[in-house]
Amino acid sequence: NAGVTQTPKFQVLKTGQSMTLQCAQDMNHNSMYWYRQDPGMGLRLIYYSASEGTTDKGEVPNGYNVSRLNKREFSLRLESAAPSQTSVYFCASRNTNQPQHFGDGTRLSIL
Amino acid sequence: DQQVKQNSPSLSVQEGRISILNCDYTNSMFDYFLWYKKYPAEGPTFLISISSIKDKNEDGRFTVFLNKSAKHLSLHIVPSQPGDSAVYFCAASSDSNYQLIWGAGTKLIIKP
Repeated sequence: NAGVTQTPKFQVLKTGQSMTLQCAQDMNHNSMYWYRQDPGMGLRLIYYSASEGTTDKGEVPNGYNVSRLNKREFSLRLESAAPSQTSVYFCASRNTNQPQHFGDGTRLSIL
Repeated sequence: DQQVKQNSPSLSVQEGRISILNCDYTNSMFDYFLWYKKYPAEGPTFLISISSIKDKNEDGRFTVFLNKSAKHLSLHIVPSQPGDSAVYFCAASSDSNYQLIWGAGTKLIIKP
């Protein structure tokens, strides 16, 4: 009964380092999403994948890349981390006409 | 420019009373609205939704009202319980890919 699993839960990086956030879902969902949440703000969509093999930019894609590795997994990569990317990152998945299910987030700090 | 606004950062309600959380939006193309609940250190969990073809949707203690002319929706929780203490997010969508635009959230505190 895992749902959406995000790893790691916490990470501290130095400016300029790279990192990949992992997300896997076991609900056989077609669509997957990456969001960031900053203090005092709602979630903002970074990238999404409507189905396996496709990815599209969301509201705030700059500085990020994604890979839909297979139907279960959707990863988010920071090639050169910047302090402005300090945030909580949430992955979500859904099937058509269903609400999004979220993981518990990755708390990322960039010094 | 915030398309979805939750103007109350926090709300305190007595246990057993009604909690009313409000949300305003500016984009008239939004046709689907959702409320999510979030506890600390957890991801948001879906609570209730409403399509723009309806003006009310009810699920147990939770009711969402939509006023399209005012571009306003509200979530009513009756009666409020201690476990309802959480941050509530309003979100809206206007496309089939279900890209959600989120409000900043309202922290609901239920007092015993």
